[in-house]
Amino acid sequence: QQQVKQSPQSLIVQKGGIPIINCAYENTAFDYFPWYQQFPGKGPALLIAIRPDVSEKKEGRFTISFNKSAKQFSLHIMDSQPGDSATYFCAASSGSARQLTFGSGTQLTVLP
Amino acid sequence: GAGVSQSPSNKVTEKGKDVELRCDPISGHTALYWYRQRLGQGLEFLIYFQGNSAPDKSGLPSDRFSAERTGESVSTLTIQRTQQEDSAVYLCASSSTSGGLGGELFFGEGSRLTVL
Repeated sequence: QQQVKQSPQSLIVQKGGIPIINCAYENTAFDYFPWYQQFPGKGPALLIAIRPDVSEKKEGRFTISFNKSAKQFSLHIMDSQPGDSATYFCAASSGSARQLTFGSGTQLTVLP
Repeated sequence: GAGVSQSPSNKVTEKGKDVELRCDPISGHTALYWYRQRLGQGLEFLIYFQGNSAPDKSGLPSDRFSAERTGESVSTLTIQRTQQEDSAVYLCASSSTSGGLGGELFFGEGSRLTVL
């Protein structure tokens, strides 16, 4: 009930491509969905987040698409750059919970 | 420093030894979390502190794991009688509000533990 399933495990795209990372959840009480970005040797850092009252949120080249009925959300990276190469984690939580539940992560490689 | 600080950054120990990992959260942050990240895997929740409330220990994998926090400052994660499966990066994060309420978590760089 508390799991967040993330796919794919790894992803390789060419510079300029649009990688898409998908997450699915079961707990309908989840109402906050952030994405965290982690570079090697560093801790994760918040990238972008969405609440279920909107279906899409865009910040710069990063977009979250949210499908409440399907209980799925995804991260799209427009015009991807080699500097975007990192591990991306989706997460979810509800107001009654006090911690984030993280997905298993996607290792993204953007080739120059 | 303005960020979350963790020490040691690397720790190699022998099976059966006890280890202590330290976290200095961002000043003023009332919420503090410990997560475990095994190689190539996601973040596994261990424990959560919020102000002076009783900690949420629901993620601790066994009674060999314990954590303390003094007020709203430093926290220590202790692993007793370490096992090889304890090898992982232990990440600490702090937040000005609960992560469940949409608070941004600020992570440290982690303590990499290797149990031989």
